[in-house]
Amino acid sequence: NAGVTQTPKFRILKIGQSMTLQCTQDMNHNYMYWYRQDPGMGLKLIYYSVGAGITDKGEVPNGYNVSRSTTEDFPLRLELAAPSQTSVYFCASSYSQAGTEAFFGQGTRLTVV
Amino acid sequence: GQQLNQSPQSMFIQEGEDVSMNCTSSSIFNTWLWYKQDPGEGPVLLIALYKAGELTSNGRLTAQFGITRKDSFLNISASIPSDVGIYFCAGLTGTASKLTFGTGTRLQVTL
Repeated sequence: NAGVTQTPKFRILKIGQSMTLQCTQDMNHNYMYWYRQDPGMGLKLIYYSVGAGITDKGEVPNGYNVSRSTTEDFPLRLELAAPSQTSVYFCASSYSQAGTEAFFGQGTRLTVV
Repeated sequence: GQQLNQSPQSMFIQEGEDVSMNCTSSSIFNTWLWYKQDPGEGPVLLIALYKAGELTSNGRLTAQFGITRKDSFLNISASIPSDVGIYFCAGLTGTASKLTFGTGTRLQVTL
């Protein structure tokens, strides 16, 4: 039972490079989320999706893009990496609209130098 | 945006002691959640609270949804070494879909 799987676990990017953080879930959840966690801070919502083909901005969407072509996958794209995007990124999914039973992946630690 | 303030920021306690932490907001929430994050892992849901005044237990953990709907409390009784981690509160408003997380309480348990 894999749950929410994120890849890669670690990545170092140079300023201006682009990359895609992958997230997939096998629980048939409609709701999926991307959060970032800065050192000593809580999680801030970047983007979320309530179903395939539907995405919306969260609290800190600038510098990121997402797509949701399938129920299972919710990739997060960084087009022009900046040092301010150095963070740990978490993907999560939930079945209910309330998002209460959210299951989190193990995170991707991204450093932009 | 909405902010959740957690206190204390960190705690150092001895094994066997009870722990209390709280979370306050300037806004009303309809649902309060408590998560635990172990090092290198994603948060794991501990307790969910759905109505004002609700008191819910999960083993040695007890959480309460404040009457004003602007706060919540988490208590851990008889702490053990595996309680070490960061505890986050999170609130959900009626618009749903978007959880607001607190800044976390880091718990250290000494033998």
